[in-house]
Amino acid sequence: QVQLQESGPGLVKPSETLSLTCTVSGGSLGTYYWSWIRQPPGKGLEWIGCILYSGSGDYNPSLKSRVTMSVDTSKNQFSLKLTSVTAADTAVYYCVRGEWWFDPWGQGTLVIVPS
Amino acid sequence: QSALTQSASVSGSPGQSITISCTGTSSDVGGYNYVSWYQQYPGKAPKLIIYDVTKRPSGVSNRFSGSKSGNTASLTISGLQAEDEGDYYCCSYAGSRTVFGGGTKLTVL
Repeated sequence: QVQLQESGPGLVKPSETLSLTCTVSGGSLGTYYWSWIRQPPGKGLEWIGCILYSGSGDYNPSLKSRVTMSVDTSKNQFSLKLTSVTAADTAVYYCVRGEWWFDPWGQGTLVIVPS
Repeated sequence: QSALTQSASVSGSPGQSITISCTGTSSDVGGYNYVSWYQQYPGKAPKLIIYDVTKRPSGVSNRFSGSKSGNTASLTISGLQAEDEGDYYCCSYAGSRTVFGGGTKLTVL
């Protein structure tokens, strides 16, 4: 059974870069797409982007200028970098498997950007 | 503002059926049969309950069903149970991106 686990700093200063890694266990990155989704406290879900095991992918147009995703098949991990963060980027960040439907999900990691 | 429109809340009594709607456009819901639905409990990660408009993942109760007509997708929960109380989100492929609804809070009375 595939499981995902997010890791990274829980606090990022304004204007700095948010960096998260998702470790996939119980299966390989294989031929799947892998995505990042975030949820600000008390709010809804927002798709950030997806990446294929080969490294190609798509990003949310509203975040595209600040987002970079990458894959490390040797470590069975994929990563998210979000630059120039502000308080509006405070959210629980989930890593998930999928491109247009998502399963399974990681437990999520809260990243706070103080205002 | 979310790309897909969901009612903020819905409620029902145990045993009843409820339907949550999700309205988009011809560029997302209406243009692809790639609508999915997620159930989320407070403090937990969302769980996939419907994908590709009508399909249920293994292990999901057959009380959950999905449909679509034009630019509107729907999730129906029949035989409502207390454990169904939570937030529900729709999601649709929109051509090189994926969009979510704002979520609907289901209260079981």
